[in-house]
Amino acid sequence: DGGITQSPKYLFRKEGQNVTLSCEQNLNHDAMYWYRQDPGQGLRLIYYSQIVNDFQKGDIAEGYSVSREKKESFPLTVTSAQKNPTAFYLCASNQVGSGNTIYFGEGSWLTVV
Amino acid sequence: RKEVEQDPGPFNVPEGATVAFNCTYSNSASQSFFWYRQDCRKEPKLLMSVYSSGNEDGRFTAQLNRASQYISLLIRDSKLSDSATYLCVVNPNTDKLIFGTGTRLQVFP
Repeated sequence: DGGITQSPKYLFRKEGQNVTLSCEQNLNHDAMYWYRQDPGQGLRLIYYSQIVNDFQKGDIAEGYSVSREKKESFPLTVTSAQKNPTAFYLCASNQVGSGNTIYFGEGSWLTVV
Repeated sequence: RKEVEQDPGPFNVPEGATVAFNCTYSNSASQSFFWYRQDCRKEPKLLMSVYSSGNEDGRFTAQLNRASQYISLLIRDSKLSDSATYLCVVNPNTDKLIFGTGTRLQVFP
């Protein structure tokens, strides 16, 4: 099946630890995105990438890092510098260009303990 | 003014009712618009794109009003299964989509 796969679905992190969330897509999409959603709030863009080996900061990039070494993969690292990392993280992808629908993975729940 | 604004609700309606949501956007150069549905603790899923001429998919109708810079979603004959949060999404002709915070709909028996 074509789609976006995120893992793990649930993750617990101790304070001070870095964690990496995986995102893989087999839709052959050029662009990939990471969003964060807090309870009762909208989606906020962390990082995005429109082409391999290139990515841009979104609105809340501090404390996060990404890489785009392969077209199908866009992992997100939540570093210890992120002060309030507990949230629902969503990876998404689409083809570059206006009007192109964005598709989401099932999300990853990160909890700091 | 926020780039995309939605009434957070909740809209509590009985089964069979008709309900409408609006979403306003600030960038007049915006080119494409979407409605997504998000169930509790799940990812958003595309409900429908919004075209200039308006579009309908079964019980759902989406319309765009460029002059007043808003899009709307009309749900007829509401079902219990329509209970969800509806996200308005706007492409302001850049490389980033802008998401509204969502309107929560609760359909009761």
